[in-house]
Amino acid sequence: QSVVTQPPSASGTPGQRVTISCSGGSSNIGRNSVNWYQQLPGTAPKLLIYSNNQRPSGVPDRFSGSKSGTSASLAIGGLQSEDEADYYCAAWDDSLYGYVFGTGTKVTVL
Amino acid sequence: QVQLQESGPGLVKPSQTLSVTCAISGDSVSSNSAAWNWIRQSPSRGLEWLGRTYYRSKWNNDYAASVRSRISINPDTSKNQFSLQLNSVTPEDTAVYYCVGRDGGILLAIWGQGTTVTVSS
Repeated sequence: QSVVTQPPSASGTPGQRVTISCSGGSSNIGRNSVNWYQQLPGTAPKLLIYSNNQRPSGVPDRFSGSKSGTSASLAIGGLQSEDEADYYCAAWDDSLYGYVFGTGTKVTVL
Repeated sequence: QVQLQESGPGLVKPSQTLSVTCAISGDSVSSNSAAWNWIRQSPSRGLEWLGRTYYRSKWNNDYAASVRSRISINPDTSKNQFSLQLNSVTPEDTAVYYCVGRDGGILLAIWGQGTTVTVSS
């Protein structure tokens, strides 16, 4: 059973804003920074956000991240059809002494 | 640009040892600011961090509690690669295995394409 939970699904129409939550605890998200990953079907996860709210070079600015307490969020503004994918959050856990991943959220563009 | 490439057996019999290797280009396995990870993904377990190896004056390893008794991650400096060995495998170890490293100062940034390992007789 994962210590970091996400809603299993989210959806929106093109152009809409979609937000995905990531709920953890004091030993992981509460103390450490959060990464977000996008996984397109049949491919490896790709880093989307690091250090809670930083975008790597090449990631569109419609993707944004935030963190508050033991939770984090990923927002996709101006949803596009190519954003249809699975999204995962991840953080280091000081108690487990390892990385923990969220349960994943499948985003569907209606 | 860092690139990682896994190679593995594809099929392993139950109770045997799973061995997967990750070749690194664009970075050094011996860098004293990098850490090299193994992560697996299966429908039943999702994304699961297995462990890492890193060099800080000496080689260090951290392993997930779920596999600690049967895992080993080792660097090979002569080939600039690192490997995963998982002993006494069961069908529960069937998964896509990814090696994951840094991109500059960003940890867990670069993922290999993954290698599928099936445990079956």
